[in-house]
Amino acid sequence: AQTVTQSQPEMSVQEAETVTLSCTYDTSENNYYLFWYKQPPSRQMILVIRQEAYKQQNATENRFSVNFQKAAKSFSLKISDSQLGDTAMYFCAFRKETSGSRLTFGEGTQLTVNP
Amino acid sequence: GAGVSQSPSNKVTEKGKDVELRCDPISGHTALYWYRQSLGQGLEFLIYFQGNSAPDKSGLPSDRFSAERTGGSVSTLTIQRTQQEDSAVYLCASSSDGTSLYGYTFGSGTRLTVV
Repeated sequence: AQTVTQSQPEMSVQEAETVTLSCTYDTSENNYYLFWYKQPPSRQMILVIRQEAYKQQNATENRFSVNFQKAAKSFSLKISDSQLGDTAMYFCAFRKETSGSRLTFGEGTQLTVNP
Repeated sequence: GAGVSQSPSNKVTEKGKDVELRCDPISGHTALYWYRQSLGQGLEFLIYFQGNSAPDKSGLPSDRFSAERTGGSVSTLTIQRTQQEDSAVYLCASSSDGTSLYGYTFGSGTRLTVV
């Protein structure tokens, strides 16, 4: 079974600064996908960024980037130039490559961006 | 529709009553998932529907929980004889198929409170 661990229940950052959220996972699979989701108070989960395990290059999406270390089973999210609208719960998620596989989520990190 | 729609948005029910939660996925999406998010925790997989295949019910916590998907579209999650520990946000997600690299599109969830 897969497990996903987020060791930081809460984090805060000043507006315009950079913050990194940690995520580790455990799996025996070789091919899989990793995701970061954002959940604002509206409750809707919003996909922030994804990474295919077979790709060595780290994914980037504007101010969001990941540091994917496959051997270490680590998948951290870096948010640059933090904005007030980034305040939300962030979830790291794992999914096997197999069709129909479920997402396995970490416990989440509550990020607060302070003005 | 444009997004995944869930109703009701909030539901308060008395212990022992039955409740039905509805999910209307994005039109044409063949895969549909239900997750449960308890207070301060990550998302817990409940059930998965893919096209006309038999659903994956392995995440349902007890036989009080059941779900169906009619005509490959709308899904209903039913909780019988609700208990206080059933209080949570129930999230529905859909994808174009089970192999989507883009994760899933989530609805805004139903917050269930059992009193």
